[in-house]
Amino acid sequence: EAGVTQFPSHSVIEKGQTVTLRCDPISGHDNLYWYRRVMGKEIKFLLHFVKESKQDESGMPNNRFLAERTGGTYSTLKVQPAELEDSGVYFCASSPPYGTPDENEQFFGPGTRLTVL
Amino acid sequence: AQRVTQPEKLLSVFKGAPVELKCNYSYSGSPELFWYVQYSRQRLQLLLRHISRESIKGFTADLNKGETSFHLKKPFAQEEDSAMYYCALASYNTDKLIFGTGTRLQVFP
Repeated sequence: EAGVTQFPSHSVIEKGQTVTLRCDPISGHDNLYWYRRVMGKEIKFLLHFVKESKQDESGMPNNRFLAERTGGTYSTLKVQPAELEDSGVYFCASSPPYGTPDENEQFFGPGTRLTVL
Repeated sequence: AQRVTQPEKLLSVFKGAPVELKCNYSYSGSPELFWYVQYSRQRLQLLLRHISRESIKGFTADLNKGETSFHLKKPFAQEEDSAMYYCALASYNTDKLIFGTGTRLQVFP
């Protein structure tokens, strides 16, 4: 089992461009989360999918961010247009379905480091 | 508001010394508390959670509701414990984790 995977590992773009981050959760995990860590700050929640539905998107900073999880498998997070303050590390995590052992344990991916110039 | 505070950015100790990484939380209700660890060049991983009440790699953490704390302790630090440690909180009605800013633990030989 590879665990949660994220692509790309690094992305450097210019302000105003578009970037799409991808997350592949652990197979069978219904729950998928996006977080980000901006330089010097804490890791902050962005949103939570249960299968293909957005359960909680209270952490999405603004409408330049769009997350999708079509088919309830992998998820994408698109930033359009990117701004300087979007730079940081974007983490994806997944957890097992409710009612299963360790349902509350979130397994994290390695993160995508985004740099907006 | 829900908040997790880790007052120390960096904690440096010598091998064999006791370690205590502090974590305080703010939450009205019964939270679930976690400690996550990130070793160099590795991903964030769960170290322990308060409901399991177990010791992992010699680390323990006790939830103190009176002091709203969940400090991480180890009696004898090892060099391989050097890492970034994050305290996190999850409420029962939402699955999102609220993280502290993290404490970097350095264990010198």
